[in-house]
Amino acid sequence: AQSVSQHNHHVILSEAASLELGCNYSYGGTVNLFWYVQYPGQHLQLLLKYFSGDPLVKGIKGFEAEFIKSKFSFNLRKPSVQWSDTAEYFCAVNGAVYGNNRLAFGKGNQVVVIP
Amino acid sequence: KAGVTQTPRYLIKTRGQQVTLSCSPISGHRSVSWYQQTPGQGLQFLFEYFSETQRNKGNFPGRFSGRQFSNSRSEMNVSTLELGDSALYLCASSLGPPTLIDEQFFGPGTRLTVL
Repeated sequence: AQSVSQHNHHVILSEAASLELGCNYSYGGTVNLFWYVQYPGQHLQLLLKYFSGDPLVKGIKGFEAEFIKSKFSFNLRKPSVQWSDTAEYFCAVNGAVYGNNRLAFGKGNQVVVIP
Repeated sequence: KAGVTQTPRYLIKTRGQQVTLSCSPISGHRSVSWYQQTPGQGLQFLFEYFSETQRNKGNFPGRFSGRQFSNSRSEMNVSTLELGDSALYLCASSLGPPTLIDEQFFGPGTRLTVL
């Protein structure tokens, strides 16, 4: 079974600070990796995804993530956060097996950006 | 293009009752997945449907069931409600048929409160 770990569940930082959220997964095979964001009062939205190819993935709103296969990690980064980045961030994984849409999510990181 | 819609948005029930939640996927999407989101357990996969067939099921008791109709709309049912069933129930749709790579789009969820 797949499992996903996210650390530092609550992160508070000031505008213009850099953000890095860690994500480690446990799964023996090929994986698809995702970061979702849930803004206050809104539904889950996809920030970025990795299926194959360049391990450095760029997403919306200036976010990027790097897949490091040897470390089973898919960390999310943003060089300079804004107040509007206040949200909960979820890392998710599914095994790249035909017919498998089942996502395993981490517990999430609650990020608060102070103006 | 309209997103994933879920009805009702809020629901209050008492223990022992049953409840039915509805999900309409994005037009053209044929795969529907359901997730339960709680503060303690985070996001957990319930089940996935494609072409009116359940393709995957998570580790939930038999009180949780679902179905999909020929127009791809899906319903999930929870019988004999327990206090611990209070949660946000999320529906996600994807294109299908299930392939190695598929992105899921989430709805706003149904907030179920069991008293």
